[in-house]
Amino acid sequence: KAGVTQTPRYLIKTRGQQVTLSCSPISGHRSVSWYQQTPGQGLQFLFEYFSETQRNKGNFPGRFSGRQFSNSRSEMNVSTLELGDSALYLCASSRSSGFSGYTFGSGTRLTVV
Amino acid sequence: DQQVKQNSPSLSVQEGRISILNCDYTNSMFDYFLWYKKYPAEGPTFLISISSIKDKNEDGRFTVFLNKSAKHLSLHIVPSQPGDSAVYFCAAENRDDKIIFGKGTRLHILP
Repeated sequence: KAGVTQTPRYLIKTRGQQVTLSCSPISGHRSVSWYQQTPGQGLQFLFEYFSETQRNKGNFPGRFSGRQFSNSRSEMNVSTLELGDSALYLCASSRSSGFSGYTFGSGTRLTVV
Repeated sequence: DQQVKQNSPSLSVQEGRISILNCDYTNSMFDYFLWYKKYPAEGPTFLISISSIKDKNEDGRFTVFLNKSAKHLSLHIVPSQPGDSAVYFCAAENRDDKIIFGKGTRLHILP
């Protein structure tokens, strides 16, 4: 079965711009979580969506937002980009929630210049 | 406040020997603990998990030990192989179904 698909794989944006990242979960998976990975900070939880509703939220500013569509696909938006937003953004999907049911995509590498 | 801590950023182990990766946590309410492995340019992949009611779980060359009184878990890989070179993330799931990751430990398997 197809895995978690994230698009685009790479992105370069300028400070102040906004960006939208996309995640298509594994078919049948209804939960989508987003993580930010930076060197030295590991994987930091952004938010989780389940059945089009945000179920959990991490400690990120309001510039980071997301949504989930009826087909479980999810988008993440970052507005007013800052240099510190440069990171690998990972999406993970699962049937309901949690542990070994989590499957990650390959991520979107965002570089803010 | 970092709830899941991996204090060793990197570890080098000779091929064939045992690799031991350590992880400490602060929240006694975590239900499950997990280990993920990540290669460059790929997303993390699930390796092994352990319930908070167990103290050991084994899967082939991988064994995870949980010491609840010390709030410590470890991943043992034996024997270590070249393909084990990767970044290993320790993670914990809380009762809100949120998974919290550590900062990762880069494992180098030396020939």
